[in-house]
Amino acid sequence: EVRPVESGGDLVHPGGSLRLSCAASGFILSHYGMSWVRQAPGKGLEWVAHISGSGHSTFYADSVKGRFTISRDNTKESLSLQMDRLRGEDTALYFCARESVDNSNKIYFDKWGQGTLVTVSS
Amino acid sequence: DIQITQSPSSLSASVGDRVTITCRTSQIIWNSVNWYQHKPGKAPELLIYSASILQAGVPPRFSGDVTGSEFTLTISSLQPDDYATYYCQQSYSVPTTFGQGTRLEI
Repeated sequence: EVRPVESGGDLVHPGGSLRLSCAASGFILSHYGMSWVRQAPGKGLEWVAHISGSGHSTFYADSVKGRFTISRDNTKESLSLQMDRLRGEDTALYFCARESVDNSNKIYFDKWGQGTLVTVSS
Repeated sequence: DIQITQSPSSLSASVGDRVTITCRTSQIIWNSVNWYQHKPGKAPELLIYSASILQAGVPPRFSGDVTGSEFTLTISSLQPDDYATYYCQQSYSVPTTFGQGTRLEI
C-alpha cells in the first residue's frame, strides 16, 4: 500500500525535545514534497511544516517557527521533524502527508500516514 | 492568512440522503480548495482536489463545486461507509489552512 509511515511519538515533559520520523511505503520518498500536519485532542487539522523534494525549501506554521525543524536525507529516504522547547499545546497526533501539485501548482495532500502521538505533560 | 469557515460543524443524516458541506474563504482563491475524509484511528483520505476533481478511486457519489468564495462538497446518496469527519483545505497561499471540520453522523 502506498502510504507514509510515522514513528517516534512519545510522552515528553514541557521544554523537552522529540524527533519524529516518516518513512515511505510503496513510493520513493525523495520524489515528493512532504508536510507534517497535526490534530490536537478533540480538534481539527493544523498544518505544521513543509519541505520540498530537494530539501532546499522549508516553511513552518507560526505556532512552531523557531522550535521545530523539518529535514530530509534523500540518500537515506528519510524525513524527520525535530521538535524542541515543546509545550502542552503541541500535544497532538502528528501525520506525515505526501504532497502532489495540481495544474495551478497548488499543493494538496494525496497520501497520509495514520499518525504518531506526541504528548507533552509533566 | 486566508481564513476558511466550514459549516455545519456537525450533521445528522440517513443512508440514501443527499448531503452538502460548505466552506467559505476570506478572499477569492479560484479553485484552490481540497476535501478530505477522516475516520477515527485511520489516515485522512483525499476526496477532491482543485475544488472539483475527483481523486482516483473515490466513488462518484462525491462531488465538489465552487461559486466565488464558496466551496461545496456534496455526497449524492449517503452510504454507511461515509460516516466520518470531512475537512476542506485552502492551498492558495502559505500557510495552508483547514476548515474546522464537519462531523457526519447517523
